[in-house]
Amino acid sequence: QKEVEQNSGPLSVPEGAIASLNCTYSDRVSQSFFWYRQYSGKSPELIMSIYSNGDKEDGRFTAQLNKASQYVSLLIRDSQPSDSATYLCAVNRGSSNTGKLIFGQGTTLQVKP
Amino acid sequence: EAQVTQNPRYLITVTGKKLTVTCSQNMNHEYMSWYRQDPGLGLRQIYYSMNVEVTDKGDVPEGYKVSRKEKRNFPLILESPSPNQTSLYFCASSPARPTDTQYFGPGTRLTVL
Repeated sequence: QKEVEQNSGPLSVPEGAIASLNCTYSDRVSQSFFWYRQYSGKSPELIMSIYSNGDKEDGRFTAQLNKASQYVSLLIRDSQPSDSATYLCAVNRGSSNTGKLIFGQGTTLQVKP
Repeated sequence: EAQVTQNPRYLITVTGKKLTVTCSQNMNHEYMSWYRQDPGLGLRQIYYSMNVEVTDKGDVPEGYKVSRKEKRNFPLILESPSPNQTSLYFCASSPARPTDTQYFGPGTRLTVL
């Protein structure tokens, strides 16, 4: 079992729809969770971080964390073609004071006009 | 402009020829890290540094060395490169810990023949 797992996709949604991206992790001690977006040929960029159970909203993006079930998700409302990218889930292994960051393999999102 | 720079951006080399990929940040960040990205495997952490003179192994440190003699620079050294080190390499930095926003460099595409 991979430490951080994502469905590689591609996930295809029509413009204006809600895109739902999921990620599971195996380390129960992990406290910090991140979603990065990576456009083709570009570097990853952080779009959301979440540390507590529940939802965290930022514009069209909502991150959801459920530590008991060990999953974190990202919802993108009103999806736009410009949201087409690979979304990487990342987990800080162990406590927040460690330096280790584990990434999933990424989910490719395609938003069709 | 606040940024992380990497050099070279592209490199083709031969097995066994020592090389160094430089990474520099101008944001006075404490934390720096190196990742490699391979298709289907996502980003994997090679080494990280919580501060000057403090470095530690990530998940895939074999065949790599790093040093952190000053805060702004974190070079990645391949003493005897092998073809399985052909990859896309990213350097990243964050203010204090990986739980802070990480800023990624533009990437270095390395091919070892």
